[in-house]
Amino acid sequence: EPEVTQTPSHQVTQMGQEVILRCVPISNHLYFYWYRQILGQKVEFLVSFYNNEISEKSEIFDDQFSVERPDGSNFTLKIRSTKLEDSAMYFCASSEVWQEEETQYFGPGTRLLVL
Amino acid sequence: AQSVTQLGSHVSVSEGALVLLRCNYSSSVPPYLFWYVQYPNQGLQLLLKYTSAATLVKGINGFEAEFKKSETSFHLTKPSAHMSDAAEYFCAVTQGGGNKLTFGTGTQLKVEL
Repeated sequence: EPEVTQTPSHQVTQMGQEVILRCVPISNHLYFYWYRQILGQKVEFLVSFYNNEISEKSEIFDDQFSVERPDGSNFTLKIRSTKLEDSAMYFCASSEVWQEEETQYFGPGTRLLVL
Repeated sequence: AQSVTQLGSHVSVSEGALVLLRCNYSSSVPPYLFWYVQYPNQGLQLLLKYTSAATLVKGINGFEAEFKKSETSFHLTKPSAHMSDAAEYFCAVTQGGGNKLTFGTGTQLKVEL
C-alpha cells in the first residue's frame, strides 16, 4: 500500500541552525501538507501546498519557514534559524484532491529537537 | 473558527469492554469529521470519516462513530476492546471550503487485561 515517508526520523540541532525536513508524498497525490505536534499539545496545521504554491498557511508558518517541491517526488520543510520552541514532531501529509472530505495520508513524522 | 473538543485525555478499559471516546465539535456550518489513530512511533492513520452521506460511519478495526447534529458530537466506539487498540486517538474537522485539519487534543486509550 502506498505510504508517505519522511526523513530523518529524528533530528537534533543547535538553536539558530537551519534544518530541512524531507517528505515523499504518495506518488499520485497533488496536495501536500505539513503539521506539527509539540510534546503534550495538539497536532497543528502549518501549511498546505499545491502546484508549487502555498495554498494556505497558519500563523505559525512565519518567515522562518519555507516549503518546496524540489523535484517530482520530494516535499521539504525548511526552518531557517531554529528556535527552542520549534522542537516538535513534524508530520507531512498528502491527498489526492482538494476537498474538505478528502482523506489526508500522514507520514510517520520527524522528531526535531532544538538545543 | 471550527474546533473539536475531546473529553478525557486518558481512557482506560478492560480487554473485551466497550470503547467510547468522545468528540464534540463547534461549527456553524456542516463539518467534515475525522478520527485518526496514532500507534507508538507511527504516523496518523485514518480510522473513519463523516462526509454527510450517513450519520453512522464504520471504519477500520471494528470502530464506528455516529454523527449527532443535535448534540454536536462524533463519538468513537468499539464494542469490544483489544490489546492492539492501545494508541492515541485524534478527532479532527475540516470546514468552510478549506481542507486543513483542525485536531483535538487527543485521547490516549489504554487496554488492560
